[in-house]
Amino acid sequence: KAGVTQTPRYLIKTRGQQVTLSCSPISGHRSVSWYQQTPGQGLQFLFEYFSETQRNKGNFPGRFSGRQFSNSRSEMNVSTLELGDSALYLCASSLSGRTGSYGNTIYFGEGSWLTVV
Amino acid sequence: GQQLNQSPQSMFIQEGEDVSMNCTSSSIFNTWLWYKQDPGEGPVLLIALYKAGELTSNGRLTAQFGITRKDSFLNISASIPSDVGIYFCAGPFGNTPLVFGKGTRLSVIA
Repeated sequence: KAGVTQTPRYLIKTRGQQVTLSCSPISGHRSVSWYQQTPGQGLQFLFEYFSETQRNKGNFPGRFSGRQFSNSRSEMNVSTLELGDSALYLCASSLSGRTGSYGNTIYFGEGSWLTVV
Repeated sequence: GQQLNQSPQSMFIQEGEDVSMNCTSSSIFNTWLWYKQDPGEGPVLLIALYKAGELTSNGRLTAQFGITRKDSFLNISASIPSDVGIYFCAGPFGNTPLVFGKGTRLSVIA
């Protein structure tokens, strides 16, 4: 079956702009979570959506937002981009929201590389 | 936030050698996951551990869930060039679906 698909794969934005990243989860998966990966901070949790509702949110400023649609596809948006927002943004999906429970494997997409100049 | 401490940060080994890496936490985890990330790719799940003391294998990989529930170990036997990558430990913690360690970068010298 198709894996988690993220678009775009690479993009370059200018400081102050905004960006929208898209994620299509594995078919049948209802939970989508987003992570930011940087060399300095590693992988950090941004937010999690389940059945169109944001269930959990990480410690990121309000410039970072997201949503999930009825078909479980998700988008994240970063407004007023800063240089420090340059990172690999990873989307992950799983069947349900019980992370870590047996059988509820979390699958990651290949990520969207964002460079802010 | 919760930190997972991985060691070593990086390692260079000869092809055919065995590898050991570990992950520790100051808090109890009920699930330990080990992921591998290749350059330019997303993390891929290698092994999932759900019970304290559990020992699970996946081919040449073996991982153990520490009995204190505050640590986990990953061993790779007879390393090959395709084992190169970054290995992450992770687990759900509180309201966070996954908390990750900083990773162990493995380089294999042929």
